[in-house]
Amino acid sequence: GAVVSQHPSWVICKSGTSVKIECRSLDFQATTMFWYRQFPKQSLMLMATSNEGSKATYEQGVEKDKFLINHASLTLSTLTVTSAHPEDSSFYICSARTASGGYEQYFGPGTRLTVT
Amino acid sequence: RKEVEQDPGPFNVPEGATVAFNCTYSNSASQSFFWYRQDCRKEPKLLMSVYSSGNEDGRFTAQLNRASQYISLLIRDSKLSDSATYLCVPLDGDSSYKLIFGSGTRLLVRP
Repeated sequence: GAVVSQHPSWVICKSGTSVKIECRSLDFQATTMFWYRQFPKQSLMLMATSNEGSKATYEQGVEKDKFLINHASLTLSTLTVTSAHPEDSSFYICSARTASGGYEQYFGPGTRLTVT
Repeated sequence: RKEVEQDPGPFNVPEGATVAFNCTYSNSASQSFFWYRQDCRKEPKLLMSVYSSGNEDGRFTAQLNRASQYISLLIRDSKLSDSATYLCVPLDGDSSYKLIFGSGTRLLVRP
């Protein structure tokens, strides 16, 4: 149980374009989902927390107009990287907490974004 | 002081060895802790949750010392497949939903 999927697993895009990443909880309902970013050899950095039906909460230093998050249902959250730049190239990982469980977060397999 | 401190390693051990990782955390309000493992270029996978003084699951044992703000992970009878980075992850005591990630400890198990 507690399986989270992400799509796409990797994407290459040109500077200035937008990319949407989907995060789905497959076998549970997730009232809260999280978006992280990880650069090579660094730790996971929380970007934002999204709750179903409400606006996302962004961490300090994360531009909410650049990283658009939508959590439209209890099983789906999306992250859109707008006007992508090469420095946005990173490993983006989502996670979800079960609505009825503890504080554990279950992670999706991640999306590797390369902006050329 | 970093929120989570772990020896980055790598710990290089032979198959069958017992290895222990230590972790200290700075926020005394943290109540829940997790050990995740992360393989290279993959997502973290939950290994164990620690809500009380410790937890044991097969070859893996975690112990928590709240007074010293210290948590450990012991791996017995190491397997080649245990090679990964092990992340000690406290739940942020001030928010009750954020996980605090450090850089982890790298383990290499050799044949």
